[in-house]
Amino acid sequence: QSVLTQPPSASGTPGQRVTISCSGGSSNIGTNSVYWYQQLPGTAPKLLIYRNNQRPSGVPDRFSGSKSGTSASLAISGLRSEDEADYYCAAWDDSLSAWVFGGGTKLTVL
Amino acid sequence: EVQLLESGGGWVQPGGSLRLSCAASGFIFNSYAMSWVRQAPGKGLEWVSAISGITGSTYYADSVKGRFTISRDNSKNTLYLQMNSLRAEDTAEYYCAKGDSYSSSSGSFDYWGQGTLVTVSS
Repeated sequence: QSVLTQPPSASGTPGQRVTISCSGGSSNIGTNSVYWYQQLPGTAPKLLIYRNNQRPSGVPDRFSGSKSGTSASLAISGLRSEDEADYYCAAWDDSLSAWVFGGGTKLTVL
Repeated sequence: EVQLLESGGGWVQPGGSLRLSCAASGFIFNSYAMSWVRQAPGKGLEWVSAISGITGSTYYADSVKGRFTISRDNSKNTLYLQMNSLRAEDTAEYYCAKGDSYSSSSGSFDYWGQGTLVTVSS
């Protein structure tokens, strides 16, 4: 059971907008920044969003992040087939003194 | 260009030990926190351990505390994970990840290695 809760799956058709939620608590998301990672099939994870809503260089602006209270969301607009991947949220947990990840959301592009 | 190259994975019997290494290049190694993150087959990501840049402070997931030891050799730009008393549930791909600051408790994992597979089985 992950400390951060994500839906196990999400789907959309090309061009659609999809959102993936990440729910935590006061000791993690409520206090610290949220990070999002994308893992394409058979590859290592890649940083997608840092500090709640910042995109590293090279990440398309179709990807956006937000945070409110103890929850965060990743939005992907203009969905493309190459966005099919697993997405993970993460945050530092002050109570555990540990990084915690969500269980991951498998995004399918129909 | 930042590069992280893990090595040392393999098959080991339950109760055995293994040491993973992560050779880093392309950045000032001693200035950045480093972490190990693992992924069991078909499962999600699990943070294992982190070591800060500069201070060398260490942090561990409860699941490995007392069995695993993270360390770094800044003269060799290399990160290590000594894994003792290995269990079947430690079977996973182990990734080395670079922090984006000296602190282990903040910032992103901005670069990842390709991983090394550890299999614990009799």
